[in-house]
Amino acid sequence: GENVEQHPSTLSVQEGDSAVIKCTYSDSASNYFPWYKQELGKGPQLIIDIRSNVGEKKDQRIAVTLNKTAKHFSLHITETQPEDSAVYFCAASGNNFNKFYFGSGTKLNVKP
Amino acid sequence: DSGVTQTPKHLITATGQRVTLRCSPRSGDLSVYWYQQSLDQGLQFLIQYYNGEERAKGNILERFSAQQFPDLHSELNLSSLELGDSALYFCASTPGLTGELFFGEGSRLTVL
Repeated sequence: GENVEQHPSTLSVQEGDSAVIKCTYSDSASNYFPWYKQELGKGPQLIIDIRSNVGEKKDQRIAVTLNKTAKHFSLHITETQPEDSAVYFCAASGNNFNKFYFGSGTKLNVKP
Repeated sequence: DSGVTQTPKHLITATGQRVTLRCSPRSGDLSVYWYQQSLDQGLQFLIQYYNGEERAKGNILERFSAQQFPDLHSELNLSSLELGDSALYFCASTPGLTGELFFGEGSRLTVL
């Protein structure tokens, strides 16, 4: 089955700096890569996703890049704010969305 | 609020016991996923149902079982509980077989 690895496990940045979280996957059949944000005491919530026919996608301060050849994808958060502090998960899925394989999570701390 | 309701929010029980976790998906969502999140771990996929039928299985133990009822709510049954089963159990739903998962707030199980 699919194996998704995520780094780093913790990330601390100063407010206003950028944060980058990286994930790799193993199954070349995976073609949908979402990112979820989990705040304390809440369930994960989708913040951005990318499909394999696209190399990059942006939504305001958040961007995701995908390199299908190398089987890795990254989340970029610019101009970080304290409210960005949370645990971020990457995931991979195939066409049928039957299974979503999640990375182990990155705890982002944005210091004011 | 994602619209996905999970009960109970917290549950404390003893080893060897059996518990049932309940999930009510968003109105109209046909697909339900169950995930296990252990301390400092990622989200481990357990099982997926679509309109009452099992669609995919992940690393679900034989002591665990699930079902989706005609009204689309789902239950996850955990039996012969062990200390290692202590975790946060999430349910997520989607309208069909689409990308975005809508997560509930989870059921925290503690096995003593």
